Amino acid sequence: AQKITQTQPGMFVQEKEAVTLDCTYDTSDQSYGLFWYKQPSSGEMIFLIYQGSYDEQNATEGRYSLNFQKARKSANLVISASQLGDSAMYFCAMREGNRGYQKVTFGIGTKLQVIP
Amino acid sequence: GAGVSQTPSNKVTEKGKYVELRCDPISGHTALYWYRQSLGQGPEFLIYFQGTGAADDSGLPNDRFFAVRPEGSVSTLKIQRTERGDSAVYLCASSLGLHPDTQYFGPGTRLTVL
Repeated sequence: AQKITQTQPGMFVQEKEAVTLDCTYDTSDQSYGLFWYKQPSSGEMIFLIYQGSYDEQNATEGRYSLNFQKARKSANLVISASQLGDSAMYFCAMREGNRGYQKVTFGIGTKLQVIP
Repeated sequence: GAGVSQTPSNKVTEKGKYVELRCDPISGHTALYWYRQSLGQGPEFLIYFQGTGAADDSGLPNDRFFAVRPEGSVSTLKIQRTERGDSAVYLCASSLGLHPDTQYFGPGTRLTVL
């Protein structure tokens, strides 16, 4: 089974609107971490937000928030007030376990296009 | 401060040639990772260094791939006898090695094997 599933290959959003990018994950670990990265056309992966499995509050970073639903194993990224510069690929990733090194697994990404 | 840098940004080579890709991590980051990203895919793990040693090289596809980090800072990914299937973007990331251990990525090297 895929550890990270992103089912939306592409999404469109009107400028200034909010958009939700879906991510579901598969793990048997109780301790894990979830990350979202943005990859503009320039290619660099930019860290956006992190959610730990034991964090009780949903993570927020500026216009980014993570809708964490542990029982459903989903970690959707919400971008509020979309801007043209938000057009990019978005990747969800997971690290399983919290002792020492653990590999990070990435999903295949969602391409977001913001329409003026 | 300076982020992760990678050189060259683009590399075109012929099948069978040897290539070296360089990564300079964020100063003070003890952990360094190499990933490969093919078109339409997410980054795929290759190798992880903690300090000078390769702590996990389980992602290296075969023995043509090798990476070093001799002084615990700069790392070089080496690919021998390149094949057309090696064409991809090679990404390097570094982290502090402390929970949650967020990885910060460089701009990548686009390798094209003709």
